[in-house]
Amino acid sequence: DVKVTQSSRYLVKRTGEKVFLECVQDMDHENMFWYRQDPGLGLRLIYFSYDVKMKEKGDIPEGYSVSREKKERFSLILESASTNQTSMYLCASSSPRGTNQPQHFGDGTRLSIL
Amino acid sequence: AQSVTQPDIHITVSEGASLELRCNYSYGATPYLFWYVQSPGQGLQLLLKYFSGDTLVQGIKGFEAEFKRSQSSFNLRKPSVHWSDAAEYFCAVGGGSGGYQKVTFGTGTKLQVIP
Repeated sequence: DVKVTQSSRYLVKRTGEKVFLECVQDMDHENMFWYRQDPGLGLRLIYFSYDVKMKEKGDIPEGYSVSREKKERFSLILESASTNQTSMYLCASSSPRGTNQPQHFGDGTRLSIL
Repeated sequence: AQSVTQPDIHITVSEGASLELRCNYSYGATPYLFWYVQSPGQGLQLLLKYFSGDTLVQGIKGFEAEFKRSQSSFNLRKPSVHWSDAAEYFCAVGGGSGGYQKVTFGTGTKLQVIP
């Protein structure tokens, strides 16, 4: 079974801090994704990557960046956290590269910015 | 632009009753369609997918969905709901050809099951 692991289930940070959310998958998937989930808005794509050191903007990239130095790890970075970034963040992966096969999701990180 | 509409925000059914969750999509070419389920405190799990072929798709946990191109719909059904089916359900549409195109998710339908 594919395992997508997000480093924290719950995280509390302060406004202005630089925040790192980590995601690791163990199935050698090429494609990795970061979403945020808010009530009534569903899932919105922040960034995705279909290869190491590659990244593509999703629908709501403002205020975020990503890093993919290794195939199995995809990090989401909040450069200067703000209260409107309080949300549930979901990481996902899929394979093969550049296709629309089903995504496998982690359990999410619930991030609160105070 | 592609989009997904799940018109029901919240549905309540009795255990043992049948279930249908509605999904309408907008996509300019041949779509890939998905249904995912999210239990409280967890990530999304794939229930089933439609890529091509038979328009009635069987999934896990006794769920099925029917692709109707003429109605741009991909409704999810289950003949007899169990209490463990209480969760949030998401329909999604993605590109069906030409390499990766982002997947768009609906806003979800929360299912409550009463004894």
